[in-house]
This record gives sequence, C-alpha cells and structure tokens, in this order.
Amino acid sequence: EPEVTQTPSHQVTQMGQEVILRCVPISNHLYFYWYRQILGQKVEFLVSFYNNEISEKSEIFDDQFSVERPDGSNFTLKIRSTKLEDSAMYFCASRRLAGRTGELFFGEGSRLTVL
Amino acid sequence: QQQVKQSPQSLIVQKGGISIINCAYENTAFDYFPWYQQFPGKGPALLIAIRPDVSEKKEGRFTISFNKSAKQFSLHIMDSQPGDSATYFCAALSSTSGGSNYKLTFGKGTLLTVNP
Repeated sequence: EPEVTQTPSHQVTQMGQEVILRCVPISNHLYFYWYRQILGQKVEFLVSFYNNEISEKSEIFDDQFSVERPDGSNFTLKIRSTKLEDSAMYFCASRRLAGRTGELFFGEGSRLTVL
Repeated sequence: QQQVKQSPQSLIVQKGGISIINCAYENTAFDYFPWYQQFPGKGPALLIAIRPDVSEKKEGRFTISFNKSAKQFSLHIMDSQPGDSATYFCAALSSTSGGSNYKLTFGKGTLLTVNP
C-alpha cells in the first residue's frame, strides 16, 4: 500500500540551528500539508501546498518556516532558526483528490527536539 | 471560530463496552467531518468520516452521529476491544482561504483505553 514517508524519524538540534524535515508524498497525490503535534496535544495545521505554491498557512507558520517541493517527489519543511518551542512531532500529509472527501494520508512523523 | 472542541480528554472502557467521544464546532464553513485514529509513534489514520447532510454513518463497529443544528458530532465504538486503545481525533474540513485547497482542523484528541 502506498504511504507517505518522512525523514528523519527523530532529530535533535541546538536552538538557533536550521532544520530540514523531508517528506515523500504518495506519488499521484497533488495536495501536500505539514502539521505538527506538541507532545500530548492536538494536531495543528501549519501549511498547505498545491500547484507549487502555498495555499494557506497558519499563524504558527511564521517567517522562520518555509516549504519547498524541490523535485517531483520530495516535499520539505525548513525551520530557519529553531526555538525551544519548535520541539514537536511534525507530520507530512498528502491527498490526491481535489474534492472535500479526498482522504488525507499522514506519514509517521519526524520528532524534532530542540535543546 | 476555527476550533473543534473534543471531549472527554481520556476514556477508559471495559472490553465489550461502548466508547463515546463527542465533538462540537462553531464554524459553519466546515463541511466534512472525519475521525482519525492514532497509535503511539504513528501518524493519524482516517477511521471514518461523515458529510453534514447525513445524520449517521456506520462502518463495522464504528458509528458517527451528526447533529447539524447543534453543530455536534460523535463517535461511537461498539463492542470496544483492547486493540481499539489509541488516541482518537475528530476533525473538520474547510476550504483554504484561496479556495484551491482544503485543510483539516483537529480536536484535542481523546486517549481511549480498553481494558481486557
């Protein structure tokens, strides 16, 4: 069964360092997302991406965050200068259909720990 | 207005019992309501979903009840099993601001424990 894959599974970094989280969405999917989940809390929307541009971003997704689809397969989330409060599980998701009923498939997540 | 409120935060049920998780929303722009199941160390996975023009949807032991006028929906797990122990998130779908995409807004999650 096709799946969304994310790397790394866990990254530990020092505050102020740049981090890139990578995702390979399901191959025929067109809509891409990043969500994050602080330990024990709800899953929060960060950004949606379609047709090589951001569709919408949340208040969390400030100037320190950026997304890119550098080639036909990868979808990356970059945090330019990490803060302690960026420590969370980051989930990539993708969907194929344009309609509202298209299922959103999530990866297993990348755990980011900022020290 | 973008919030989805979920309760309870945690739930303990005996094997064979019924698990009930409730959610409420305010934003009338939400137009699709999925439930996600998350096991430790895994990403959320779609469990069941309902459109607002339907009052109930059943798939196996899982049923969503939807009350559009009250802006409430709930998940019922019949004959709960230890393997159902997981975190359950209700969610609501809305269009992104530009209209070209959709996004999910999640509730805070319910940790369900089913005792053998």
